[in-house]
Amino acid sequence: AQSVTQLGSHVSVSEGALVLLRCNYSSSVPPYLFWYVQYPNQGLQLLLKYTSAATLVKGINGFEAEFKKSETSFHLTKPSAHMSDAAEYFCAVSNQAGTALIFGKGTTLSVSS
Amino acid sequence: NAGVTQTPKFQVLKTGQSMTLQCAQDMNHNSMYWYRQDPGMGLRLIYYSASEGTTDKGEVPNGYNVSRLNKREFSLRLESAAPSQTSVYFCASSDGTVSGANVLTFGAGSRLTVL
Repeated sequence: AQSVTQLGSHVSVSEGALVLLRCNYSSSVPPYLFWYVQYPNQGLQLLLKYTSAATLVKGINGFEAEFKKSETSFHLTKPSAHMSDAAEYFCAVSNQAGTALIFGKGTTLSVSS
Repeated sequence: NAGVTQTPKFQVLKTGQSMTLQCAQDMNHNSMYWYRQDPGMGLRLIYYSASEGTTDKGEVPNGYNVSRLNKREFSLRLESAAPSQTSVYFCASSDGTVSGANVLTFGAGSRLTVL
């Protein structure tokens, strides 16, 4: 069955520091992978998606993620954190039928000045 | 652009009461979904509808029913609410034309409390 595991439920960084949010996946078929962000009291918004076209995927707001098949990972990074990046981040993988997304448990990112 | 609209935004129920969460999208999307979000659990899929006229169970369907009323609307019904159904419920939709790669557009959520 498809699944994703997000390592670390809470990550804290200083403004200007590197952001690294970890996601490992399990998939019996070539995966489609996604990162979504949720700001307080809002729905989820797409940051980026991997659909096998390129292993390094660039998203909105300066975020990017690299698909590493050998490590079954799809970690999210941003070179320099901004206060506005504070939010909850979710990694997701398509289910085997390709009809829905399976989400991880989420990682809350805190950014301090 | 309204996108995905959910009603109500907040609801308090007593155990055993029933209610329906409504969801409508105006993007002509084929697929629609209901997820619940609980602290530390992420989002879990309750039911989805890959296309008009079809519905399928997700990870946590027990205690829920759904209706794909037409292409725009997908409702979630709790027949006999239980405290374990206290959660934030999200409706989402997607184009559904590219298997696995479709982006979901989410509503703002409905916060349900069952006493």
